[in-house]
Amino acid sequence: TQLLEQSPQFLSIQEGENLTVYCNSSSVFSSLQWYRQEPGEGPVLLVTVVTGGEVKKLKRLTFQFGDARKDSSLHITAAQPGDTGLYLCAGGPHAGNMLTFGGGTRLMVKP
Amino acid sequence: EPEVTQTPSHQVTQMGQEVILRCVPISNHLYFYWYRQILGQKVEFLVSFYNNEISEKSEIFDDQFSVERPDGSNFTLKIRSTKLEDSAMYFCASSVVAGVRANYGYTFGSGTRLTVV
Repeated sequence: TQLLEQSPQFLSIQEGENLTVYCNSSSVFSSLQWYRQEPGEGPVLLVTVVTGGEVKKLKRLTFQFGDARKDSSLHITAAQPGDTGLYLCAGGPHAGNMLTFGGGTRLMVKP
Repeated sequence: EPEVTQTPSHQVTQMGQEVILRCVPISNHLYFYWYRQILGQKVEFLVSFYNNEISEKSEIFDDQFSVERPDGSNFTLKIRSTKLEDSAMYFCASSVVAGVRANYGYTFGSGTRLTVV
């Protein structure tokens, strides 16, 4: 069974600070996705990374896939209150369609 | 922006009753999924569906569960005899391609909150 562990589980920071969220596994994934989920809503895809070592940027968000494709990170620069939410990583298998989700990081950015 | 639509948003049912959760995937998507999220726990895969048949299912998806695409637009999840532990948020998702590919993602609906009493 493939597992993804996210850390930290909770993060409360002030507006303007930088932060990094981690997603780790002992298993290799073919790809990794990051989602953001608001209360009462479904996960919304932010990015997909598929190549070991890949880095993708989405405005102030930087996503990295580990060289061995076992881990990923999400770095937010100059966080804003609008970044508040639950961030989920999800790993894709080598075969099949099943996504394995991490437990999420709940981020709160205070003005 | 195309959306995956789920109905109802909230359903309360008595233990042992049958429930049908409904989803309308994005029209040009070919692959459909159900996931669930028990309160405070991880999002868990239930089943994937393609070309009118199940392509993959998890251990959670036992004989009490079934999926169907009764017409060209709806995708349903049926739970035959609900248990208390079936209480969860159920998410439908769809995708253009199978699995996870660069530049292609899953689109999730807003979910149906099922409460079994």
